[in-house]
Amino acid sequence: GAVVSQHPSRVICKSGTSVKIECRSLDFQATTMFWYRQFPKQSLMLMATSNEGSKATYEQGVEKDKFLINHASLTLSTLTVTSAHPEDSSFYICSARSSGYTDTQYFGPGTRLTVL
Amino acid sequence: GDSVTQMEGPVTLSEEAFLTINCTYTATGYPSLFWYVQYPGEGLQLLLKATKADDKGSNKGFEATYRKETTSFHLEKGSVQVSDSAVYFCALSLYGNKLVFGAGTILRVKS
Repeated sequence: GAVVSQHPSRVICKSGTSVKIECRSLDFQATTMFWYRQFPKQSLMLMATSNEGSKATYEQGVEKDKFLINHASLTLSTLTVTSAHPEDSSFYICSARSSGYTDTQYFGPGTRLTVL
Repeated sequence: GDSVTQMEGPVTLSEEAFLTINCTYTATGYPSLFWYVQYPGEGLQLLLKATKADDKGSNKGFEATYRKETTSFHLEKGSVQVSDSAVYFCALSLYGNKLVFGAGTILRVKS
């Protein structure tokens, strides 16, 4: 149980294009999903927290207009990197927390984004 | 603010050696504590957790005990295998809010 998937696992795009990454909870309902960014050999940096049906809460320093997050259902959240640039290249990881009081997050396998 | 400090790596061990990865935390309340493991090119997997003082989390031979008096949650394993080579993250969460991660510790196990 508690499986989270991400799609795609890898994506390469040209500078200036937009890329959408999907995060799905496969066997539970996730009222809250989190998006992280991880640089090589570093820890995870929380980008934003999204609750189903409401606007995402972004961490300080994360551009809302660049990293669009949608959490339209209890099993799906999407992160769209708009007008991507090479500095956006990174490993993006989502996590999901089930409904009800719980503090355990389950992580997806990550998406490697490379912007040329 | 809330924070997690892990021992710096990489930690290099021979197979069947004893493992300890130190983790201490600073928190304004009573956090839940976690260990996550990340294998190369993958996301994080929950390894174990503890939600209150003196709780012991355990999984796959790994153990960690929530020590409130020393604000620690050290990860231990009695006999490591090559397949345990990964990055280990200690983390805390307060009242179900966001996770605060340590910097991660690389473990390398040699055969």
